[in-house]
Amino acid sequence: KAGVTQTPRYLIKTRGQQVTLSCSPISGHRSVSWYQQTPGQGLQFLFEYFSETQRNKGNFPGRFSGRQFSNSRSEMNVSTLELGDSALYLCASSEYDEQFFGPGTRLTVL
Amino acid sequence: GENVEQHPSTLSVQEGDSAVIKCTYSDSASNYFPWYKQELGKRPQLIIDIRSNVGEKKDQRIAVTLNKTAKHFSLHITETQPEDSAVYFCAVQKAAGNKLTFGGGTRVLVKP
Repeated sequence: KAGVTQTPRYLIKTRGQQVTLSCSPISGHRSVSWYQQTPGQGLQFLFEYFSETQRNKGNFPGRFSGRQFSNSRSEMNVSTLELGDSALYLCASSEYDEQFFGPGTRLTVL
Repeated sequence: GENVEQHPSTLSVQEGDSAVIKCTYSDSASNYFPWYKQELGKRPQLIIDIRSNVGEKKDQRIAVTLNKTAKHFSLHITETQPEDSAVYFCAVQKAAGNKLTFGGGTRVLVKP
């Protein structure tokens, strides 16, 4: 099976803009989780979607949102970007509890 | 919320020696404990996991042990090789959905 894919791989935005990241899970996986990775905070959970419903949510402000489509593909959106949002955004797909990560989208906010 | 402490933060070993990384967690409801390896510029890769009904699991040169009473689990790598050099993350998860809480990571350097 093909692995988890994420697009785009790199993004440069300026403060105040918004951004949408996309994740395509492994075929047959219905759960998609999103994580933010930074040198200072490490890997932090953003949210999880399962069968188009948000099942879990982390401690991030409302500027971070997501959704999942009927084909299990997921998007996350960050509005009103701040410098501190610069990070590697990883999605992970799972069928049960094992989570498999995509390559990530590296977002730089200037 | 759940808290995961991982030690040490860096570990330097000689090729062929063993490496041990330890994690403690706070929520006794956690029941799934994966370990990920992340090489520079690459995605985290699941290398081994253990569930709460098992005390130990081994896969070739890597093994994980779990002590649910003490709320800690460890990763053991034997006969280390230069390609084992990477950052290793422990994580925990509860039964309600796929939400991993990660430790801070251990940077492992295997010296030839």
